[in-house]
Amino acid sequence: RKEVEQDPGPFNVPEGATVAFNCTYSNSASQSFFWYRQDCRKEPKLLMSVYSSGNEDGRFTAQLNRASQYISLLIRDSKLSDSATYLCVVNKGGSYIPTFGRGTSLIVHP
Amino acid sequence: GAVVSQHPSWVICKSGTSVKIECRSLDFQATTMFWYRQFPKQSLMLMATSNEGSKATYEQGVEKDKFLINHASLTLSTLTVTSAHPEDSSFYICSARSPDRGLNGYTFGSGTRLTVV
Repeated sequence: RKEVEQDPGPFNVPEGATVAFNCTYSNSASQSFFWYRQDCRKEPKLLMSVYSSGNEDGRFTAQLNRASQYISLLIRDSKLSDSATYLCVVNKGGSYIPTFGRGTSLIVHP
Repeated sequence: GAVVSQHPSWVICKSGTSVKIECRSLDFQATTMFWYRQFPKQSLMLMATSNEGSKATYEQGVEKDKFLINHASLTLSTLTVTSAHPEDSSFYICSARSPDRGLNGYTFGSGTRLTVV
């Protein structure tokens, strides 16, 4: 089982749609969780951290389920500019070494 | 916010030559930097963890003699791809954990696209 697994997609949605991505991780000792956004041929950029209680930033909501070892990202009212690859990042076994999922591709169309 | 400067952005080199990639933390001290490689449509794969003043820790399957990492100061880490081959062509990217974010995230360099011909 891979350390961090994501459905690569692509998720193809119309503007205004709500879309959700899940990510599962294998190491139960993982402590820190993040969602990053990566545009084509660019470096990843932090979208948001994921907290145990769940957190929201505008149209984006992240949640963590430790029991089932997965995190989720919900995007409401999708915009064309949301088109990108969304990377799930989990720290490596209690350390600060990040491990990346392969990313989920989102395409928002008019 | 924390900034990591990486260069060159892209480089084309001949097989058998060596290429050095630099990453600098501009406004913070990065005691640890991470080096990743990303092939098209693949995830970022951690190659090594670079610690200032000590030897880098390489991930399994990464040849330490081929990918030389030097982290001689708190603001500079370099990755040298020695005797490059076409299969080394990839997107190389560095990252450092930003102290101003605490546990919250890592700052990435802009990446280096290496093409070996």
